[in-house]
Amino acid sequence: DTEVTQTPKHLVMGMTNKKSLKCEQHMGHRAMYWYKQKAKKPPELMFVYSYEKLSINESVPSRFSPECPNSSLLNLHLHALQPEDSALYLCASSQGAASRGYTFGSGTRLTVV
Amino acid sequence: AQTVTQSQPEMSVQEAETVTLSCTYDTSESNYYLFWYKQPPSRQMILVIRQEAYKQQNATENRFSVNFQKAAKSFSLKISDSQLGDTAMYFCAFPNNAGNMLTFGGGTRLMVKP
Repeated sequence: DTEVTQTPKHLVMGMTNKKSLKCEQHMGHRAMYWYKQKAKKPPELMFVYSYEKLSINESVPSRFSPECPNSSLLNLHLHALQPEDSALYLCASSQGAASRGYTFGSGTRLTVV
Repeated sequence: AQTVTQSQPEMSVQEAETVTLSCTYDTSESNYYLFWYKQPPSRQMILVIRQEAYKQQNATENRFSVNFQKAAKSFSLKISDSQLGDTAMYFCAFPNNAGNMLTFGGGTRLMVKP
């Protein structure tokens, strides 16, 4: 299995809703990442988990809450989002250091209404 | 801090022709990897090619090759025999000093025309 699987592929949520994005990999990768990507822009790093511990939080608002229950699974819990949070959310994983490159999931297209 | 710059926001090429996408970066490191990722309209980021800085030989993957100029901190991607399926956003990426994240350039939107 050489994939990173993200669910759901599309999500529409109201500003008062609570939802979660899920990311799963079975490649034995020990680092996992959440990126946010706006249209025609590069991905922007949100969070990094290394060996199931949060190692980087790029000053992301608390309405985004990451969770890494085990080495294969990464969640992003969403609460009280704003319309400007609408974006493509990409999950990635790497075998140890990011310096050798990522494997990306296909993303979740989030729309906040 | 690392910076990665792609100076061509958009490019177009005729099918079957060759196109080169440019990328420059800044680092104080001596040994590192550089990456080109492709993001088609289907939105999945796909690794196109990877270059190790200590290797003299430029990386090649089928129709994709790089021109790596370490002294100039330049890392361009050449696509030969362009195909319609090459239409996508292309991002150059580079790890930070700690090696725990990738920084992406601003991207180049490539359109292959029939």
